[in-house]
Amino acid sequence: IAGITQAPTSQILAAGRRMTLRCTQDMRHNAMYWYRQDLGLGLRLIHYSNTAGTTGKGEVPDGYSVSRANTDDFPLTLASAVPSQTSVYFCASSDLLGYGEQFFGPGTRLTVL
Amino acid sequence: DQQVKQNSPSLSVQEGRISILNCDYTNSMFDYFLWYKKYPAEGPTFLISISSIKDKNEDGRFTVFLNKSAKHLSLHIVPSQPGDSAVYFCAASNYGGSQGNLIFGKGTKLSVKP
Repeated sequence: IAGITQAPTSQILAAGRRMTLRCTQDMRHNAMYWYRQDLGLGLRLIHYSNTAGTTGKGEVPDGYSVSRANTDDFPLTLASAVPSQTSVYFCASSDLLGYGEQFFGPGTRLTVL
Repeated sequence: DQQVKQNSPSLSVQEGRISILNCDYTNSMFDYFLWYKKYPAEGPTFLISISSIKDKNEDGRFTVFLNKSAKHLSLHIVPSQPGDSAVYFCAASNYGGSQGNLIFGKGTKLSVKP
């Protein structure tokens, strides 16, 4: 069982380019999340999804969009990357939104130049 | 305004001794609390949780204490081991709320010295 996979592992991106970070879970969890981790700021929620077909905004949603076409996949898109989006991005899932253990992927390290 | 605060960015402890990591919260609606552990270049992993109806939960060497009146929780690791060296995040949620999302603290880096 893989749990949660994220791709790519790392990426260097020119400012202004479009980028999609991929996330797939095989646990049939209802809820999925995207966080960014920045030094000294901990984990901040970008977007979440309660179930397939529904999404919601977290603490820092600006500049990001998500979709949840099915249970397993939850891609995060940066329409036009900016240097302030340089961060480590973690995808997570849980059976219920905000309750119980969240399982995290290994992360994607994104650098925007 | 930070709703979940971990005021100690780092903590250093000798192997075999107790590690105590602290977390304060401001939202009295939070009813579920978790601790996550994170090693470098890996995703956070769940460690232990506690519901607001309890004041203590224990799992092996790890115990979480909740003081609702003080809006404070702590994680005790006894005895501490070098493999416990990691960043520990406290998180809280209001399951009955409109979003029910986890709010994380900024983390405390624990170093356990042999």
